[in-house]
Amino acid sequence: LAKTTQPISMDSYEGQEVNITCSHNNIATNDYITWYQQFPSQGPRFIIQGYKTKVTNEVASLFIPADRKSSTLSLPRVSLSDTAVYYCLVVINNAGNMLTFGGGTRLMVKP
Amino acid sequence: NAGVTQTPKFRVLKTGQSMTLLCAQDMNHEYMYWYRQDPGMGLRLIHYSVGEGTTAKGEVPDGYNVSRLKKQNFLLGLESAAPSQTSVYFCASSFTGGLYEQFFGPGTRLTVL
Repeated sequence: LAKTTQPISMDSYEGQEVNITCSHNNIATNDYITWYQQFPSQGPRFIIQGYKTKVTNEVASLFIPADRKSSTLSLPRVSLSDTAVYYCLVVINNAGNMLTFGGGTRLMVKP
Repeated sequence: NAGVTQTPKFRVLKTGQSMTLLCAQDMNHEYMYWYRQDPGMGLRLIHYSVGEGTTAKGEVPDGYNVSRLKKQNFLLGLESAAPSQTSVYFCASSFTGGLYEQFFGPGTRLTVL
């Protein structure tokens, strides 16, 4: 299973765009990139998932370059409520696959 | 829909005591999971189930047992609690494994003295 590397922490200010990059050099053909968000004292919540190029939903965008060795989660115009830990996961397209969480990126949004 | 619920929310045990954590989901999901999260760390999978009557070991299964007698419930048992089991325990469920989104419960904060 591909190991992921992401920054331990990031700071931002309200209204800014935040980009969190994740490295997954050993990603395999059947692997997808998935991001979860975890607020303090809550369980993680699915944000977005993609295989290549760009995926966008109402919460975030996910950019994946052609070589797929990294990906970038983009949060547009963050607010204080976006302060959370963001986990990048590589997920195998296989029904039996289990999620492996790393340490995540702790995002602090300041006023 | 309540989603995934966990009982209890908090618990303090003494070393050697036993307890059972209950997880319930009302989404008719096949897969259910138990994770633990230690301070400042990511989640680690303890045990999981791919359907009623099935269980399997995850990354850190030692000291825990599980049962899935009903599709909607997944129980996590600690037979003889140890201070190293002090953690926050999260239950999750998903339609199947792989790419399907996992839905997490609110967690149980367990302290073992």
